[in-house]
Amino acid sequence: AAGVIQSPRHLIKEKRETATLKCYPIPRHDTVYWYQQGPGQDPQFLISFYEKMQSDKGSIPDRFSAQQFSDYHSELNMSSLELGDSALYFCASGDGGTGNTIYFGEGSWLTVV
Amino acid sequence: AQSVAQPEDQVNVAEGNPLTVKCTYSVSGNPYLFWYVQYPNRGLQFLLKYITGDNLVKGSYGFEAEFNKSQTSFHLKKPSALVSDSALYFCAVRVPDGGATNKLIFGTGTLLAVQP
Repeated sequence: AAGVIQSPRHLIKEKRETATLKCYPIPRHDTVYWYQQGPGQDPQFLISFYEKMQSDKGSIPDRFSAQQFSDYHSELNMSSLELGDSALYFCASGDGGTGNTIYFGEGSWLTVV
Repeated sequence: AQSVAQPEDQVNVAEGNPLTVKCTYSVSGNPYLFWYVQYPNRGLQFLLKYITGDNLVKGSYGFEAEFNKSQTSFHLKKPSALVSDSALYFCAVRVPDGGATNKLIFGTGTLLAVQP
């Protein structure tokens, strides 16, 4: 079965640089979520989109932005990177409805040096 | 505010023994509860969920969980642990608020270590 696809899987950036993460949700899923997981931490919700519109916002820094495109893929843009942004970034998708399952991608490892 | 607690940072169990990973929740409405497993450097894999109905929910890889409303708990269980079950386990909750994109709120995770 198709899963959530994230790219790149790993990237290394220097402080103050910009990074873009991409997410391709499971086909026919209308909702995309972004989470950040620091080392030894639980996943923290950043932002979500429903039918290409931002639907909820969590602890996403102002330096970060995201959008969902017409083909339902989503991108997380991170600017002015800081050392503390080093983390595993997950994208997840669901087909709407609170009882429905949210499926996660394998994550994108961002290291800021 | 909605929250999930996993009181144990780590659970150690011998292979073949039953295992329990604890989870309690605090929500203002009826909770939808989930368990996910994370292997090292991997994504979160869905194990099982409770929405409504039977309090005992069966999921992937022989795992099950019991919803207890009076104790606000949703403990994960397996009758016989395998070494390959060793991983990080997250309990999560979603609370319906009329929206379509209710996010998951995660507990802090419990590391399960199964010894041969």
